[in-house]
Amino acid sequence: GQNIDQPTEMTATEGAIVQINCTYQTSGFNGLFWYQQHAGEAPTFLSYNVLDGLEEKGRFSSFLSRSKGYSYLLLKELQMKDSASYLCAVRDRQAGTALIFGKGTTLSVSS
Amino acid sequence: AAGVIQSPRHLIKEKRETATLKCYPIPRHDTVYWYQQGPGQDPQFLISFYEKMQSDKGSIPDRFSAQQFSDYHSELNMSSLELGDSALYFCASSLARVYEQYFGPGTRLTVT
Repeated sequence: GQNIDQPTEMTATEGAIVQINCTYQTSGFNGLFWYQQHAGEAPTFLSYNVLDGLEEKGRFSSFLSRSKGYSYLLLKELQMKDSASYLCAVRDRQAGTALIFGKGTTLSVSS
Repeated sequence: AAGVIQSPRHLIKEKRETATLKCYPIPRHDTVYWYQQGPGQDPQFLISFYEKMQSDKGSIPDRFSAQQFSDYHSELNMSSLELGDSALYFCASSLARVYEQYFGPGTRLTVT
């Protein structure tokens, strides 16, 4: 089976940097995804990692270490609109094309 | 850019009724996924289709069925609805099965 852990809640202030960690256990790792979800809305794709290392996309970066079963999402220059839930999801060869989501981290950005 | 379209956006049904949810993927995307998200929960994978054939099956109840049509749109059919089926139902699409999935706005189903 799969097990994905991420912190339940985090808080930060505008302009700051925040790192959201995700650890996972899968038998057939085949990629890790980060999504942003505002309450009642659809998850929005942020990043995809399948090889070790850092992927940078504007204010967002995602890192993966397959040997450690670890990823993080780094958000820079935080804005109020970044207040949302951030979902870590993995794809496992045993589950085929399905994304297995973690419980999500609710980030609150204050001024 | 065109996004995933879902209809209806909101649906209210009574117990034991049936419901049909529709999903229109992003143009040229050939893979469709269905997820169920209960209140305060993470999305749970139900089922996926690739090139009009069932690809993978997750925690979809036997009361539910789905298919993908020749124009790549998909429908999720839900019968004998139960109170516990109340949730947001998301459809996602991707280009082939290996790329990132893009989610639609969801259908909020309320069973009373």
